[in-house]
Amino acid sequence: DAGVTQSPTHLIKTRGQHVTLRCSPISGHKSVSWYQQVLGQGPQFIFQYYEKEERGRGNFPDRFSARQFPNYSSELNVNALLLGDSALYLCASSLPGTLNTEAFFGQGTRLTVV
Amino acid sequence: EDKVVQSPLSLVVHEGDTVTLNCSYEVTNFRSLLWYKQEKKAPTFLFMLTSSGIEKKSGRLSSILDKKELFSILNITATQTGDSAVYLCAVEARPYYTGANSKLTFGKGITLSVRP
Repeated sequence: DAGVTQSPTHLIKTRGQHVTLRCSPISGHKSVSWYQQVLGQGPQFIFQYYEKEERGRGNFPDRFSARQFPNYSSELNVNALLLGDSALYLCASSLPGTLNTEAFFGQGTRLTVV
Repeated sequence: EDKVVQSPLSLVVHEGDTVTLNCSYEVTNFRSLLWYKQEKKAPTFLFMLTSSGIEKKSGRLSSILDKKELFSILNITATQTGDSAVYLCAVEARPYYTGANSKLTFGKGITLSVRP
C-alpha cells in the first residue's frame, strides 16, 4: 500500500516567487492536513481539508492557500515567498470521523527560499 | 490557544539506559494525545492515548496519559542507537465539524541521542 506521497521532495525558490506543493493521501483517506516545520521546531498546523472543503486553518497569512481535489489529493500554494517560509512542509492524511484519528505523514517537501 | 510543552528539549544517553520523555499540554476539548518519532522527515506514529492511566506498550516503548494533571510520558527502556531521533508529542482537540479530524498541536520535540 502506498503511503502519503508528496512532491517535489526538495525545492529552491527565490524571494517573491510562488510555489505549489502536492500531496496524495493514503487510498481511502478523505482528510488531508498541511503542516509547516521550521528547523528545530515541531510541525505547525496550516490547513485541514475534508471532502474538498477547508475545515480548519492555522495562524498563517493569506499568502498561504490550499485546495483539495475530487480524488482527495491536495495542493498547498504559497505566494510572495519570504525567507522565513523556508521549512519542511508535511502533509498528513487520516480517516475522518472515527476513533482512530492517527494521522499518517508524508516524507515532506523541503522548501528553501533564497 | 492550545499548547504543548515537551521536556527536556534534548538529552544524550548511552545504549542500555532507560529514558523518560515528558509532555504537558493545555487544550480545549481534548480528544487524544499522540507520540511520533521523527528521524529524518516523516514523523512516524508511535502511540495514541485517549484515556487516563492506561499504559500503551510497543516493545521497549511505553506511554501513559494523565488527563487530570494534563501530561503524558514516553518511556524507552534498554535504549539502542536506532532510538536516536526527535520525539514529538501532539494533542488533538475535538473537531467542530462532524466527519473531519481537527488539527494536531505539536510540541517542539525532544532530541534523543543514544551513544554506543
